[in-house]
Amino acid sequence: DGGITQSPKYLFRKEGQNVTLSCEQNLNHDAMYWYRQDPGQGLRLIYYSQIVNDFQKGDIAEGYSVSREKKESFPLTVTSAQKNPTAFYLCASSIGENPARETQYFGPGTRLLVL
Amino acid sequence: GQNIDQPTEMTATEGAIVQINCTYQTSGFNGLFWYQQHAGEAPTFLSYNVLDGLEEKGRFSSFLSRSKGYSYLLLKELQMKDSASYLCAVSHASGGSYIPTFGRGTSLIVHP
Repeated sequence: DGGITQSPKYLFRKEGQNVTLSCEQNLNHDAMYWYRQDPGQGLRLIYYSQIVNDFQKGDIAEGYSVSREKKESFPLTVTSAQKNPTAFYLCASSIGENPARETQYFGPGTRLLVL
Repeated sequence: GQNIDQPTEMTATEGAIVQINCTYQTSGFNGLFWYQQHAGEAPTFLSYNVLDGLEEKGRFSSFLSRSKGYSYLLLKELQMKDSASYLCAVSHASGGSYIPTFGRGTSLIVHP
């Protein structure tokens, strides 16, 4: 079955520590996205990538970094520079031919908690 | 820039009809999506409108008026499982990439 997987489901971070969230898709999609969701805030775009080896900052990229070395994978690193990282992180993908008009398929999410 | 506005919370009775509104102000409009998200889960696609009018899909319908910057999601014959958050997302021109921007979502509570 095709889909998007995210791991881990829950992640704990200590102060000053970098952590990496995994996102893998086997839908053969070109476009991938990372969103952050806080209570009452909806989804906010962190980074997106429309093709391998290229990515763009979203609305709240500060304190985050990404890579897109393979079509299937789009890992997100939450760095120590992100002062308020506790949130629900969602990865999504779409076909990539016209992102404005494409359905996004979401992974199950990773809940990050700061200890 | 853009502004997307949805009610924070709505309640309705099982079997009834509910309309969830979404208003937006944006430049370079290129379509509007509705997603459903159950608590702690991933959003799932419900509908997409780019032209004015009503799109019907079973119990769910979505309406768009581009001139008014307005959309609504209509849910008929409500079921308990429809209790979820409903997210409105607007595609717009942003630095050449039309990435949808999400509203804050409307939490719908369906009670018996």
